[in-house]
Amino acid sequence: DTAVSQTPKYLVTQMGNDKSIKCEQNLGHDTMYWYKQDSKKFLKIMFSYNNKELIINETVPNRFSPKSPDKAHLNLHINSLELGDSAVYFCASSQNLASQETQYFGPGTRLLVL
Amino acid sequence: GDSVTQMEGPVTLSEEAFLTINCTYTATGYPSLFWYVQYPGEGLQLLLKATKADDKGSNKGFEATYRKETTSFHLEKGSVQVSDSAVYFCALRPPLGGNKLVFGAGTILRVKS
Repeated sequence: DTAVSQTPKYLVTQMGNDKSIKCEQNLGHDTMYWYKQDSKKFLKIMFSYNNKELIINETVPNRFSPKSPDKAHLNLHINSLELGDSAVYFCASSQNLASQETQYFGPGTRLLVL
Repeated sequence: GDSVTQMEGPVTLSEEAFLTINCTYTATGYPSLFWYVQYPGEGLQLLLKATKADDKGSNKGFEATYRKETTSFHLEKGSVQVSDSAVYFCALRPPLGGNKLVFGAGTILRVKS
């Protein structure tokens, strides 16, 4: 059983399009995250949600809109895609916001904007 | 702000060599410290962690000790294998601020047989 799953694994699209990436966790966790990994492997947090509420928004452009329909899902919708959005996007989850909780990562979605 | 600095890679070693990947951090208060590993084509996996000064995290032969006096959390392994080839990320979690992880830039490790 995959703990944190993402779809799709690969996404190739044109500039200006709108796309969504889905994330689901079956761990019963309260908190979910989105991270972006750029071409140099640098990882940075974008958002976190706890019990469907936004907790962290790290000055991400408002073209990025996370949506959490329930605790087990955190989807990422991107409007008007730009070349610079090409990256690997990782979803993660943790039991809750407590500082001792480990974050579990999904396999990543490789987005290429042409 | 909080930040993590890792040694630049790639690090190339022969099998059974000793590994050190340096990691230093800047943070307010007492962060938790982590090493994550990313194997080719996969997501990140937690390798080890330490939550307070002088704690030693260990897993799969890897070790790292939380050194507050030098603000460091260097990763070590006594004898690397080809299967250890991956990208290694040092990260911290600030004591306050919503449980986000702040990552270093990652260090690519290549182990040759």
